[in-house]
Amino acid sequence: RKEVEQDPGPFNVPEGATVAFNCTYSNSASQSFFWYRQDCRKEPKLLMSVYSSGNEDGRFTAQLNRASQYISLLIRDSKLSDSATYLCVVNIVQGGKLIFGQGTELSVKP
Amino acid sequence: DGGITQSPKYLFRKEGQNVTLSCEQNLNHDAMYWYRQDPGQGLRLIYYSQIVNDFQKGDIAEGYSVSREKKESFPLTVTSAQKNPTAFYLCASSILENYGYTFGSGTRLTVV
Repeated sequence: RKEVEQDPGPFNVPEGATVAFNCTYSNSASQSFFWYRQDCRKEPKLLMSVYSSGNEDGRFTAQLNRASQYISLLIRDSKLSDSATYLCVVNIVQGGKLIFGQGTELSVKP
Repeated sequence: DGGITQSPKYLFRKEGQNVTLSCEQNLNHDAMYWYRQDPGQGLRLIYYSQIVNDFQKGDIAEGYSVSREKKESFPLTVTSAQKNPTAFYLCASSILENYGYTFGSGTRLTVV
C-alpha cells in the first residue's frame, strides 16, 4: 500500500463547478498535512496546510479526518486558472521528510 | 528576496558522464531535500539533509551522491551508475519538518 494515495484523476470540470479531491494516508503517526499545487512543467507550490479543525482560504477548503486517515480539498466556483495538478502531502515526523501523493490533475474548461 | 535557486534549468548528459546539479538557498533553512519527478508520476525522495555535514538516503539514492558543506548549498551529483537519469529534479528546503517546503524551479536532465 502506498503511504499517500490520491484520486487518480484527471478531473475535467466546467468553470464555476465545485470539485473535491480525496487523499488517504497509511501512517497513523503522521503529524502535518498539506496540499500543494503543481502547474505543468513547474515546481510544486504550497497551496495550504491542513489542520484538524479544517481550514478555508477563499474558494479552497481543506479537511482532515485523523480517525479515517483521510484528507480532502474542496474547490468552489472553479476558475480556468485552477487547472493544475494537486498534490496531497503528509509529514511523518520520525522521518523528517514529506511524503507526496502522486497528484490529481484538474482541468477547468470554459 | 529570499528563495531557493537551482541551476542549470536544462542539462544534457552523455552516457557514462557524471553531472552536478546546483541548489542554493538564502532562506536560512536547516533542512534541504532532493526529489526526482518522472512524467505523470509523483515526487520521489533521493537524499535529504537536516544539518550541515550530515545527510540521509531517501527512497531512490542509488546512482546519486550529495554533499552539505554549507547550510546554503546542497548539490546533487548524478553519477554514471544511475541507469535512467532523465527526469525533472527538484530541490527543496524547510525550516522545520512540520512546515511545508519551498521548492526551487527545478532542473530538467536529459541523457543524449
